[in-house]
Amino acid sequence: KAGVTQTPRYLIKTRGQQVTLSCSPISGHRSVSWYQQTPGQGLQFLFEYFSETQRNKGNFPGRFSGRQFSNSRSEMNVSTLELGDSALYLCASSSLGQGNYGYTFGSGTRLTVV
Amino acid sequence: TQLLEQSPQFLSIQEGENLTVYCNSSSVFSSLQWYRQEPGEGPVLLVTVVTGGEVKKLKRLTFQFGDARKDSSLHITAAQPGDTGLYLCAGVNSNYQLIWGAGTKLIIKP
Repeated sequence: KAGVTQTPRYLIKTRGQQVTLSCSPISGHRSVSWYQQTPGQGLQFLFEYFSETQRNKGNFPGRFSGRQFSNSRSEMNVSTLELGDSALYLCASSSLGQGNYGYTFGSGTRLTVV
Repeated sequence: TQLLEQSPQFLSIQEGENLTVYCNSSSVFSSLQWYRQEPGEGPVLLVTVVTGGEVKKLKRLTFQFGDARKDSSLHITAAQPGDTGLYLCAGVNSNYQLIWGAGTKLIIKP
């Protein structure tokens, strides 16, 4: 079966702009989690959506938001981009969400803010 | 704040050597997952351990969950260049949250 698909793979944005990233989970998986990965901070949890509802949220400012559609596809949005938002953004899907026995990750979106 | 400490942070060894990576915490986890991540890609799940004292083997990789379910180790026998990558551990706590270690960057030199 198809894996987790994230688009776009690479993105360059200017400080102050906004960006939307997309994630299509494995068919049948209802949970989508988003992570930010940077060399200095490692994997930082952004939020988790399950059946279109945000179930958990990490410690990120309100500029970071997300949503999930009825087909389980998810988007995350970052408004008013800052240089420090440059990172690899990873989407992970699972059938049950956090507390399950493992995630399947996408290849990520590499966001560079200049 | 719950922490999962991974050590070492960085390891560079010759092909054929053995190595062990550790994940330690003062908290109990209901299960613990190990992932390997290659540059520019997302982490790939290697194994999940659930029972205290559990040992799982994946070819040359041996994973162990501590008896008290607070720690875990990954042992690689006769490391090969293909084992190069970032190894991450993640534990599921009592609130069903996933707590991540900072990772171990492993380089196997031919």
